[in-house]
Amino acid sequence: DTAVSQTPKYLVTQMGNDKSIKCEQNLGHDTMYWYKQDSKKFLKIMFSYNNKELIINETVPNRFSPKSPDKAHLNLHINSLELGDSAVYFCASSQGLPGLSYNEQFFGPGTRLTVL
Amino acid sequence: GENVEQHPSTLSVQEGDSAVIKCTYSDSASNYFPWYKQELGKRPQLIIDIRSNVGEKKDQRIAVTLNKTAKHFSLHITETQPEDSAVYFCAAGGGSYIPTFGRGTSLIVHP
Repeated sequence: DTAVSQTPKYLVTQMGNDKSIKCEQNLGHDTMYWYKQDSKKFLKIMFSYNNKELIINETVPNRFSPKSPDKAHLNLHINSLELGDSAVYFCASSQGLPGLSYNEQFFGPGTRLTVL
Repeated sequence: GENVEQHPSTLSVQEGDSAVIKCTYSDSASNYFPWYKQELGKRPQLIIDIRSNVGEKKDQRIAVTLNKTAKHFSLHITETQPEDSAVYFCAAGGGSYIPTFGRGTSLIVHP
């Protein structure tokens, strides 16, 4: 059984387009995250939701909008894509609230976004 | 907020040698320190973690040590094998809402 899944795995698109990445976890976790991993492998946190509520919103352009319809799903919508958005985007989940009881994060397989 | 520094950025060893990766953190409230391994093209996966009430933890060929006073923790891999080649990330969390990762160490084990 896949614990954290993401779709699509690859996304190639033109500058200016709008795209979405979906994430689902079947671990019963309360907290979900989006990370951006650039070509230098740095894992930069973008957003975190706990029980559908936004708890972390790092300095990310407002072209990026997360949506959590329920605690098992955290989707990422990106408007007006730019060349610099090209990266691998990882979804992750963990039990508990990071500020109180940070626990192991389970990562999805990643979505490689290429903006042409 | 938390700041995690990780060194070295690249580590090259011969098969059978030991490898040590070091991290420092800034927030004394951090209480959970995991290490993740990311193989090429794959997702990061937890390999070992330590909580602040423990100074050392070992799991077969890997071990982690924590010095709370100095705010640093290290990953030790003994008898390295080619399949240990990957990017390793340290992280610190529990003290704030933001789980913070180090910038990663690319470990290359030469056969």
